[in-house]
Amino acid sequence: NAGVTQTPKFQVLKTGQSMTLQCAQDMNHNSMYWYRQDPGMGLRLIYYSASEGTTDKGEVPNGYNVSRLNKREFSLRLESAAPSQTSVYFCASTLEWGKNTEAFFGQGTRLTVV
Amino acid sequence: QQQVKQSPQSLIVQKGGISIINCAYENTAFDYFPWYQQFPGKGPALLIAIRPDVSEKKEGRFTISFNKSAKQFSLHIMDSQPGDSATYFCAASAGTYKYIFGTGTRLKVLA
Repeated sequence: NAGVTQTPKFQVLKTGQSMTLQCAQDMNHNSMYWYRQDPGMGLRLIYYSASEGTTDKGEVPNGYNVSRLNKREFSLRLESAAPSQTSVYFCASTLEWGKNTEAFFGQGTRLTVV
Repeated sequence: QQQVKQSPQSLIVQKGGISIINCAYENTAFDYFPWYQQFPGKGPALLIAIRPDVSEKKEGRFTISFNKSAKQFSLHIMDSQPGDSATYFCAASAGTYKYIFGTGTRLKVLA
């Protein structure tokens, strides 16, 4: 029962470097999400994919891109990392879009940009 | 109108006490109100959820109280235990809306 798996768990980047955060779910869920978590800010939605083949912006999409590679995988890319992107990133999935179902989260990626 | 306001930001409770966390929303279209629990180094996990057709839902020591007219809902943890020490997030969603999360409450239960 892996659920939602994120890689890597920790990463340190220099300003201007790029990287891709990987997320995979094995629950046959249709919808996937990327959140960032910052102290005092809660969870803020970066991008989401309501279904395979679609992606859309959330609250804080600037500086990020996503790819829904297939039904299982949803990646988040930072093209040119900035210190403001230092955060903990969570991937999540839900069975359906538009229905109020439980969101399952990965363990998170702690990213530091220096 | 999309915000969910959560308070307090942090809470310290003695073992055996009652922990109360409050959330308020503006969007009357919201129709699903879950609470998530997050332990350090882990992702959030669903704790309990309520829909607005009921005013209260109880699961073990955890109870959600819902006041539709005031647009408020709260989490009550009875007989709080040190193992309940975690960050709690309220959330709201409605149909095609995405989840909107509160800012979180860090709960510490003293032994």
